[in-house]
Amino acid sequence: GAGVSQSPSNKVTEKGKDVELRCDPISGHTALYWYRQSLGQGLEFLIYFQGNSAPDKSGLPSDRFSAERTGGSVSTLTIQRTQQEDSAVYLCASRQPGRTYNEQFFGPGTRLTVL
Amino acid sequence: GENVEQHPSTLSVQEGDSAVIKCTYSDSASNYFPWYKQELGKGPQLIIDIRSNVGEKKDQRIAVTLNKTAKHFSLHITETQPEDSAVYFCAARYSSASKIIFGSGTRLSIRP
Repeated sequence: GAGVSQSPSNKVTEKGKDVELRCDPISGHTALYWYRQSLGQGLEFLIYFQGNSAPDKSGLPSDRFSAERTGGSVSTLTIQRTQQEDSAVYLCASRQPGRTYNEQFFGPGTRLTVL
Repeated sequence: GENVEQHPSTLSVQEGDSAVIKCTYSDSASNYFPWYKQELGKGPQLIIDIRSNVGEKKDQRIAVTLNKTAKHFSLHITETQPEDSAVYFCAARYSSASKIIFGSGTRLSIRP
């Protein structure tokens, strides 16, 4: 079946512009996560959705970052007034509900470059 | 706070030899420890996981061990092959939260 998909795969933008990154989770997965991976670094947690609500936004680095999820499916991560330090790969993952230990399935990521 | 430390950051081993990656976690309430493999240009993929009620788990050439007292867990890859070259991440899930905290990753290179 289809896995987690993300779009665009690559995004180049100019400093100060806004960007939107999209995540399509696996069908039926109500839990959705956003991570940021800077070059050669680990995965930095950004935000977690359960359904359309976000009980944990603790990883969002600043108020320029926001995310929403509609219909319990697609999620959009928005970065306003992008800065060069926002350049990274943004990864999305989804998880099947109802089982405590179920794995997170990751998408291929969106590589964001801010010039 | 929640923290997972991973060592080494890079590891190079001869093909056929074993590789070991070690992690420590900070919260004793952690109860689930997955390991992910990330190949170039792809998202991480789960390769093995272990729950806190088990001390060891093995799947073919891959094994994980967990020492709850010391809050250590390790990944062991035996008879390494070129396709094992990738970045490996350990992680810990805290029982009080739904998020998983990842280590900083280990870049494993297998020398032919």
